[in-house]
Amino acid sequence: GDSVTQTEGQVTVSESKSLIINCTYSTTSIAYPNLFWYVRYPGEGLQLLLKVITAGQKGSSRGFEATYNKETTSFHLQKASVQESDSAVYYCALALNTGNYKYVFGAGTRLKVIA
Amino acid sequence: EAAVTQSPRNKVTVTGGNVTLSCRQTNSHNYMYWYRQDTGHGLRLIHYSYGAGNLQIGDVPDGYKATRTTQEDFFLLLELASPSQTSLYFCASSDVQTEVFFGKGTRLTVV
Repeated sequence: GDSVTQTEGQVTVSESKSLIINCTYSTTSIAYPNLFWYVRYPGEGLQLLLKVITAGQKGSSRGFEATYNKETTSFHLQKASVQESDSAVYYCALALNTGNYKYVFGAGTRLKVIA
Repeated sequence: EAAVTQSPRNKVTVTGGNVTLSCRQTNSHNYMYWYRQDTGHGLRLIHYSYGAGNLQIGDVPDGYKATRTTQEDFFLLLELASPSQTSLYFCASSDVQTEVFFGKGTRLTVV
């Protein structure tokens, strides 16, 4: 079946340092999936951070960016300089339009930014 | 602004109890979803629907029923709750090729 893998359950980064959260995906579909990063702040639901629907393209939002790499089936999230307010749980996800539009989420990576 | 509202936000029930989680969206979206969130598993899809009266089985449907009564309302039913169903439940809505909008979640505890 289709799956999304985030290898880090938790990441701790010092403020102003760079961040990378890894995401790889697997799909049995011949179609390329749409890829997303969602973020969940404490007490809130998930909200879209960025999305890319074309292989080879880069998405960016709020200083975060991710590139859709179909060769390595990866969609890593990066930020050059994190802030304490970035502390949250980040979810990588894919969606396939194969009749029914279904999303598959990774396990999430909890980011803790320390001063 | 697009909105998904879940109720209740917190619920405690006993093993064998009957629980209904409610979700209403004002986005005019066709798709609605119920997920559960457990540590180490991320969001797992329980059931989803692409319109009133429609129901699709997700990846972890056992022990759950769902019903989509209108385009706006999607309910998740646990008729014989078990401790393994203690979890954080999210409802969401979307259309094809659009982002998913999530509710704030319902924390269910089965004791």
